[in-house]
Amino acid sequence: GQNIDQPTEMTATEGAIVQINCTYQTSGFNGLFWYQQHAGEAPTFLSYNVLDGLEEKGRFSSFLSRSKGYSYLLLKELQMKDSASYLCAVRGSNYQLIWGAGTKLIIKP
Amino acid sequence: DSGVTQTPKHLITATGQRVTLRCSPRSGDLSVYWYQQSLDQGLQFLIQYYNGEERAKGNILERFSAQQFPDLHSELNLSSLELGDSALYFCASSAPGGGLANNEQFFGPGTRLTVL
Repeated sequence: GQNIDQPTEMTATEGAIVQINCTYQTSGFNGLFWYQQHAGEAPTFLSYNVLDGLEEKGRFSSFLSRSKGYSYLLLKELQMKDSASYLCAVRGSNYQLIWGAGTKLIIKP
Repeated sequence: DSGVTQTPKHLITATGQRVTLRCSPRSGDLSVYWYQQSLDQGLQFLIQYYNGEERAKGNILERFSAQQFPDLHSELNLSSLELGDSALYFCASSAPGGGLANNEQFFGPGTRLTVL
């Protein structure tokens, strides 16, 4: 079967760094996406990885290891507005997105 | 603003009723996706249309149906509504893209459906 695993909830402190992991088992792989979703709002695109390695975009970075079926989203210099859910999604062999359940990130002052 | 519009923003109705949710994709996008998100749950993929044709089906109930019109807007019809259908319904669109292109999905603001 196809499966994406993310921690349900994480807590971090303002100004710190947090890493949100995502592991996947899918039929084929054609890219991995990270989205941010604030409560009651629409998901917004954060990053895309299709090759192994690190993609950096400001305070956010995303890493992919295809051989390990593993990705992480790294958030630096955490701000209160980063409190949100972070969704990992993998594009499988049929080019459809398979979504993880999301990780709720709570930032404390 | 993602460029994807959805109407209405809120909808309150009773069990057994039927409703229609509407979505207009970003200009130039041919794909439309529908998702259901119940309270504190993940996104559940319902169905995808590409240029008027059904492309993929997810966990869509038989009571639900959708279509994409020639002008590329899409409608999601929900009938014989039950209390458990109360949720946020998102529409997303993406540009035509092949291979490993980063054709991310852009999400509309959602329609919050409450079934009483």
